Amino acid sequence: GENVEQHPSTLSVQEGDSAVIKCTYSDSASNYFPWYKQELGKRPQLIIDIRSNVGEKKDQRIAVTLNKTAKHFSLHITETQPEDSAVYFCAAGSGTYKYIFGTGTRLKVLA
Amino acid sequence: DAMVIQNPRYQVTQFGKPVTLSCSQTLNHNVMYWYQQKSSQAPKLLFHYYDKDFNNEADTPDNFQSRRPNTSFCFLDIRSPGLGDAAMYLCATSREGGAYGYTFGSGTRLTVV
Repeated sequence: GENVEQHPSTLSVQEGDSAVIKCTYSDSASNYFPWYKQELGKRPQLIIDIRSNVGEKKDQRIAVTLNKTAKHFSLHITETQPEDSAVYFCAAGSGTYKYIFGTGTRLKVLA
Repeated sequence: DAMVIQNPRYQVTQFGKPVTLSCSQTLNHNVMYWYQQKSSQAPKLLFHYYDKDFNNEADTPDNFQSRRPNTSFCFLDIRSPGLGDAAMYLCATSREGGAYGYTFGSGTRLTVV
């Protein structure tokens, strides 16, 4: 079945620096890759997603890149701020109404 | 605002005492999901409904059941909660088509005593 690996499990960056979180997936049929941000005690919230027909998508300080050949995708956060501190989950899906989540990355932005 | 609402936010139940968690949505989404999330772990899918079609994950314990009486509501029943069932339970919805992100509810944190 589908497997999604996510690295690193924890990441500390200085405020203003960039953060990169990487995920790899196993199912070549996967065609949708969302990223969720979960603050402590709160619900996961969709922050950006990408479909397999594009290689990159950007929304202000957040960008996602996809390499279908290598089956990996990455989240890039530039100019990090303390409010970016949270757990980030990647996910991969193939249109079967359910997604497999990565194991999560705890991002800490140091002021 | 259209949203996914879970009740209650916090639920304490006794070991072995049946408990029901509820989820409602105003998004008119076809698909509803129940996830279990334990501390510092990824959400784990228990089951999902596409309209009235129920889809159980192979490793979901029989202790967990679900009902979806209509488009708007979905319930999670835990027949005999054990200490290992203490977790955050997240309801989510999505549009049909499969390639859309979830909208999650705020979750119900279940404590078993």
